[in-house]
Amino acid sequence: AQSVTQPDIHITVSEGASLELRCNYSYGATPYLFWYVQSPGQGLQLLLKYFSGDTLVQGIKGFEAEFKRSQSSFNLRKPSVHWSDAAEYFCAVVPSGAGSYQLTFGKGTKLSVIP
Amino acid sequence: GAGVSQTPSNKVTEKGKYVELRCDPISGHTALYWYRQSLGQGPEFLIYFQGTGAADDSGLPNDRFFAVRPEGSVSTLKIQRTERGDSAVYLCASSPTKNTGELFFGEGSRLTVL
Repeated sequence: AQSVTQPDIHITVSEGASLELRCNYSYGATPYLFWYVQSPGQGLQLLLKYFSGDTLVQGIKGFEAEFKRSQSSFNLRKPSVHWSDAAEYFCAVVPSGAGSYQLTFGKGTKLSVIP
Repeated sequence: GAGVSQTPSNKVTEKGKYVELRCDPISGHTALYWYRQSLGQGPEFLIYFQGTGAADDSGLPNDRFFAVRPEGSVSTLKIQRTERGDSAVYLCASSPTKNTGELFFGEGSRLTVL
């Protein structure tokens, strides 16, 4: 069965510092990959996705992620964190070519930002 | 509304009671998903509708859980004989027919079973 591992439960960074959130997946073939953000009082929002092609993908709010097949990883990065980025971040996968999006999510990483 | 709407936002019930949670997807979205998010966990897939039919209900944990979408729009998740372990946030998401891979989530219904 496919699985998603987010090794960091909670990360704290200073505002303006860079950020990297880790995600590893276990699956027979390269799945479709996603990062979602969950802010307090709001629904999950898609930050970015990877289906194929360029392994560095750009998303909303200045986020990017890099797919590394050799490491089965899809880490999320941001060069300079803003206080409004404090939220919980979820990596998710779905089998490539799937006709629907029954996502398998990781347990999430909670991001705290120090002013 | 513009987004996915879920009601109630909070529901407290007693063990053994019956509960209904409602989801109103984005207008025109044919696909609808239910997920369950327990404390400290990521969302877990429950059931997927394409139109009126349940295309995949493999995530429903047992036969106490049932969901319907009779007219292909609003969906109701029904839980019979609730147990304390059913306490979680129930999330609904929708997506358009021509899916780009983005699910649009509601804020969820928090269910607490005492």
